[in-house]
Amino acid sequence: AQSVAQPEDQVNVAEGNPLTVKCTYSVSGNPYLFWYVQYPNRGLQFLLKYITGDNLVKGSYGFEAEFNKSQTSFHLKKPSALVSDSALYFCAVRDRGGGNKLTFGTGTQLKVEL
Amino acid sequence: GAGVSQSPSNKVTEKGKDVELRCDPISGHTALYWYRQSLGQGLEFLIYFQGNSAPDKSGLPSDRFSAERTGGSVSTLTIQRTQQEDSAVYLCASSSSSGGAGANVLTFGAGSRLTVL
Repeated sequence: AQSVAQPEDQVNVAEGNPLTVKCTYSVSGNPYLFWYVQYPNRGLQFLLKYITGDNLVKGSYGFEAEFNKSQTSFHLKKPSALVSDSALYFCAVRDRGGGNKLTFGTGTQLKVEL
Repeated sequence: GAGVSQSPSNKVTEKGKDVELRCDPISGHTALYWYRQSLGQGLEFLIYFQGNSAPDKSGLPSDRFSAERTGGSVSTLTIQRTQQEDSAVYLCASSSSSGGAGANVLTFGAGSRLTVL
């Protein structure tokens, strides 16, 4: 079985400061890893993904995530947060050898304040 | 169409009634997913269709839930004898299956908000 844990329900950060949204995963094989974002009253949007290769993945809006196999983590980061980054962030995992089912975490609400 | 279309956007029903939720995926996308989003519960996988293969129904919470996909395109999620705990936003997503299907990105619809009174 595959699973995702997002240990923080909410993360608060001041604008201009770096942000981190944590994600750990569990799969029986090797993972495909994704981050999606949900802005208020809007649908879920793809942010970035890790497939293979470089452990540091860069995505939309200046976000990046680092795949750490030993820690089974895929934390989302941004060097300088903007108020407009405030949204609900979901981490997701798919087992490479386990079909196409995509499992999501419970989400982390990011609040960026002035 | 340009995106994933879901209808209705809002549905209020009485306990015990049946409801149907519709999803029209992006043209050419062979994979279609249904998820349920409840407050504090994240995104719960319900069912997955891929082309003509048998669907993965492992996430359906009870036999009151069923889904079909006609002609490899439009999908309908049916909830029979609705209960209050069925209240949630039901999200549909589609993706292509070209290349490495497991790495493909899902495009989500805006969702159908179901309220069971």
